[in-house]
Amino acid sequence: GQQLNQSPQSMFIQEGEDVSMNCTSSSIFNTWLWYKQDPGEGPVLLIALYKAGELTSNGRLTAQFGITRKDSFLNISASIPSDVGIYFCAGAGSGNTGKLIFGQGTTLQVKP
Amino acid sequence: GAVVSQHPSWVICKSGTSVKIECRSLDFQATTMFWYRQFPKQSLMLMATSNEGSKATYEQGVEKDKFLINHASLTLSTLTVTSAHPEDSSFYICSARGSGGSYGYTFGSGTRLTVV
Repeated sequence: GQQLNQSPQSMFIQEGEDVSMNCTSSSIFNTWLWYKQDPGEGPVLLIALYKAGELTSNGRLTAQFGITRKDSFLNISASIPSDVGIYFCAGAGSGNTGKLIFGQGTTLQVKP
Repeated sequence: GAVVSQHPSWVICKSGTSVKIECRSLDFQATTMFWYRQFPKQSLMLMATSNEGSKATYEQGVEKDKFLINHASLTLSTLTVTSAHPEDSSFYICSARGSGGSYGYTFGSGTRLTVV
């Protein structure tokens, strides 16, 4: 089945540093989404990408939908302590089900 | 907009009993709802997809007789864990999608199930 490989698995950075994480797949996806999950909560959508090559920003966050439709990255600039959490990429393939496949997650820790 | 309410947020039940989890779309009509489970320090694993008025489609390895899903209206889907056992203890999360994907995929806040 479809799988997403997300890296890095975890990051420990200093406040103010930039962060980059990415996801790759052996399959093509039509939609790439990036979520953040806090402990005991459901994922919250950060950025949605619907078109190959699309580059979208949301405040300090920037994400891109790879031109091959098999990868995506998320950048966080000037990290702050509240950026701490688990970040997931998710892809939706073709077809009518629209079901999302999630990456393994990137745990981000920010040192003040 | 695009708010999904999930209840209860946590539940403890005895082995052998059944537990129902509700997922409601508050400000949009959810033509499709998805149910995930998440074990500690792991990713979300899709259990099933349900479309309003039709039977749910379960992912491989998910027992449909154990995890009963009902999507009777455009704003409500329920997941019932039947004859729960300790290994069913997990974090269950629903996601709802509006018609045409106009609301993307909005997630509920999750339900922590503990079976003792």
